Parts: sequence; structure tokens; C-alpha cells
Amino acid sequence: AQTVTQSQPEMSVQEAETVTLSCTYDTSENNYYLFWYKQPPSRQMILVIRQEAYKQQNATENRFSVNFQKAAKSFSLKISDSQLGDTAMYFCAFIAITQGGSEKLVFGKGTKLTVNP
Amino acid sequence: ETGVTQTPRHLVMGMTNKKSLKCEQHLGHNAMYWYKQSAKKPLELMFVYNFKEQTENNSVPSRFSPECPNSSHLFLHLHTLQPEDSALYLCASSQDLGRGGRDTQYFGPGTRLTVL
Repeated sequence: AQTVTQSQPEMSVQEAETVTLSCTYDTSENNYYLFWYKQPPSRQMILVIRQEAYKQQNATENRFSVNFQKAAKSFSLKISDSQLGDTAMYFCAFIAITQGGSEKLVFGKGTKLTVNP
Repeated sequence: ETGVTQTPRHLVMGMTNKKSLKCEQHLGHNAMYWYKQSAKKPLELMFVYNFKEQTENNSVPSRFSPECPNSSHLFLHLHTLQPEDSALYLCASSQDLGRGGRDTQYFGPGTRLTVL
């Protein structure tokens, strides 16, 4: 089964502090892409960061970085210097191949992050 | 703004109504997707279109009928829905399909559907 598990339904962090969101996944593919998407209260889902599985170097995008552990199938997101605008639902996802040979994003249930002033 | 728009943003309909959701992307992408987001459940892929051709139907009930007249527009026609179909319906697009995730999916803001 191709699944994504986010074990933290809700988290909170103080402004300017660092927070880490956990994600584990299951796939039999050898090469794939992993994603973190952010969905603010306005609801538009946007891509935060992406990691290609065969690249050992962890991806970074400004204040966002990942800790990718391929053997453990773990893909956590670290947000440094948290800002109020980071308050959102965060979804971990990866690309899976469907039975029809197409592709789909498989999402976790999400982690609701609240940044407190 | 991601370049993907959806209308309407909110829709309330009875179980006997027929309505349509519209998605438009201004990114020149070739692949478009419909997702369903229900409370406390992961996003579920419903349909995939690539160059106007449907490439995936994720066992979606026939009361949901997609239409893709061109690569920029995607519709979801709704008829005789059930209350459990109430959800946020998200449209997405990507440059192409079949590149193993190299192409980012860009999402619209969604349509919040309530079925009474």
C-alpha cells in the first residue's frame, strides 16, 4: 500500500522559534518525489518544498528544510524562525503510480500548525 | 494566487439538483486533476486529465461527471449527490503527466460544496 502518515494532528510554536513536522510514508518505488504542501486558512494549497528520493542532500527553501531519511521512509519538515503567516495545515505527500499507469499525489491527513505571537 | 481559479467558491445544493464546478488554469499546463478533501481524511484523487483525455478515474461514483473541453478548463458536473459528498473540491494542474513528480501540481482555492 502507498500511504503517508502524519502523526501530529496539531502543533503550535511561538513566533521566531523552530518547529519540526513529522511524516513517514510507504512505497515500493525506488525513485519518487516527496512534497510538503501548505494550506492556509484561505484554502489555496501551495507547494512548500520538494525532495527527489535519489538525492541524498536535504532540500532547503529559505526558512524551510527537510530531513529525508530514505531507509526509514521519513520526511520531516523543519520551519525555522516561525512567522505568523506560517499558520496553516501542512500536508506531506508523494507521487504514486496508479493501477492505470497514471500518477497521483498521495497525501497524509495533515498537521495543523499554529504560530503564536 | 497560483494561476488556477475555481468557481463557485461555495455551493449549496439539494440532492436532486444538478450543478457544475469549473476550474481554469492560466499556466499553459497539459495535465489537470480533481481532488476531494473531506474533514479528517486525506485528499483523495478523483480524476486526471492529460491533453484533454481522461487518464484516471479513481473509482468515483457516476454522480460525478468530469469534462475537459481543452487543456485550460476542467469541469465537474454534479447530479443526485448525497450528503456525504459534502467536501472541499480542489482542482490542480501540472505541466505534464508521467514525469514522476518532476512537475509541481498547482492547486486552485477549491469549491466548498454542501449537499442538503
